[in-house]
Amino acid sequence: NAGVIQTPRHKVTGKGQEATLWCEPISGHSAVFWYRQTIVQGLEFLTYFRNQAPIDDSGMPKERFSAQMPNQSHSTLKIQSTQPQDSAVYLCASSFSWGETLYFGSGTRLTVL
Amino acid sequence: GDSVTQTEGLVTLTEGLPVMLNCTYQSTYSPFLFWYVQHLNEAPKLLLKSFTDNKRPEHQGFHATLHKSSSSFHLQKSSAQLSDSALYYCALSANTGANTGKLTFGHGTILRVHP
Repeated sequence: NAGVIQTPRHKVTGKGQEATLWCEPISGHSAVFWYRQTIVQGLEFLTYFRNQAPIDDSGMPKERFSAQMPNQSHSTLKIQSTQPQDSAVYLCASSFSWGETLYFGSGTRLTVL
Repeated sequence: GDSVTQTEGLVTLTEGLPVMLNCTYQSTYSPFLFWYVQHLNEAPKLLLKSFTDNKRPEHQGFHATLHKSSSSFHLQKSSAQLSDSALYYCALSANTGANTGKLTFGHGTILRVHP
């Protein structure tokens, strides 16, 4: 079991460019989460899928952030027109079901210049 | 909505002394409580999870007791080790119907253990 796989590990974009982050959850896990980690805010919830269906996107900045889960083996987080304040580590996690352990990927460090 | 409060941003201890990291929560529903630990340059990983039958979870010398009356789930260890230095997150997951499964994290507490 390779765990949750996130690519790329690091991404640098210029202000206004688009960034797409990829996540491959653990096989058999029905829940997939995206979190953003910064020193100031800690771990902020962004969005959550269960059985590929979007359940809660209350943490997503509405205008520029979007997330998809086209199949059970991957999810993407897309940030349009990136801004310096989007710089953070974006963590994907999956769990077998509600109340179960969340397994995190190593994250994608996004730097917006 | 659900929230988790960790009052200490940084706790510095001498090796061998007891550890206590505070965690309180607010939730309309009876949640599961978790402690996650993140070592430098690593992903967060589960340290402890509350049980539904009031048993006290323990792992790697750490334990935590869920007190519903005070809405707390403090993390404790009798003797700190240098390797315990890390960032610790308290989190809750509540059965809220449509939003079941969402994990809400506190801001985290950095534990630094020195010789």
